[in-house]
Amino acid sequence: AQSVAQPEDQVNVAEGNPLTVKCTYSVSGNPYLFWYVQYPNRGLQFLLKYITGDNLVKGSYGFEAEFNKSQTSFHLKKPSALVSDSALYFCAVRVMNSGNTPLVFGKGTRLSVIA
Amino acid sequence: KAGVTQTPRYLIKTRGQQVTLSCSPISGHRSVSWYQQTPGQGLQFLFEYFSETQRNKGNFPGRFSGRQFSNSRSEMNVSTLELGDSALYLCASRTGQGHNEQFFGPGTRLTVL
Repeated sequence: AQSVAQPEDQVNVAEGNPLTVKCTYSVSGNPYLFWYVQYPNRGLQFLLKYITGDNLVKGSYGFEAEFNKSQTSFHLKKPSALVSDSALYFCAVRVMNSGNTPLVFGKGTRLSVIA
Repeated sequence: KAGVTQTPRYLIKTRGQQVTLSCSPISGHRSVSWYQQTPGQGLQFLFEYFSETQRNKGNFPGRFSGRQFSNSRSEMNVSTLELGDSALYLCASRTGQGHNEQFFGPGTRLTVL
């Protein structure tokens, strides 16, 4: 079975500082990893994905994530946080076996960027 | 392209009633997935439909059902509502092939009294 862990329910960071939102995964096989962001009263918005290739993936709004196979992690990062980055962030994993399997999401991490 | 739309955006029902939620995917997307989001459980997968067939199913009781029409629009139905069914129900669409990402609608907020 596949699973995703986001070990921090809440992350607080000062505006202008770098931010990291952590994600670890457990799958049998090759993982395909995704990050989504949810703003209040909105659905989830896609940020970035790792399928194969370069371990450093760049996405929307200046976010990036690094795939680390040995540590089974896919942490989300941004060099300089903005107040507008405050939102709920979800990491998700899918394993491609013989067919399409559904995305499995972590429980989410609430990011607060303080001015 | 228009995004994923969900109707209604808000619903209030009482225990024992049933409810039907609707989702219109992005044009050209053949896969529609449904998720239940609650503060305690996070995002939980309900089911996925692809070309009118249920392709995957999550671990929910039979009171939760869905279907997909030939135009890829999807509905989910919850019968005999319970208080614990109060949640944000999210629909997501994708082309259905490969490792492409899902696009989510704004959700339907269901409150069961």
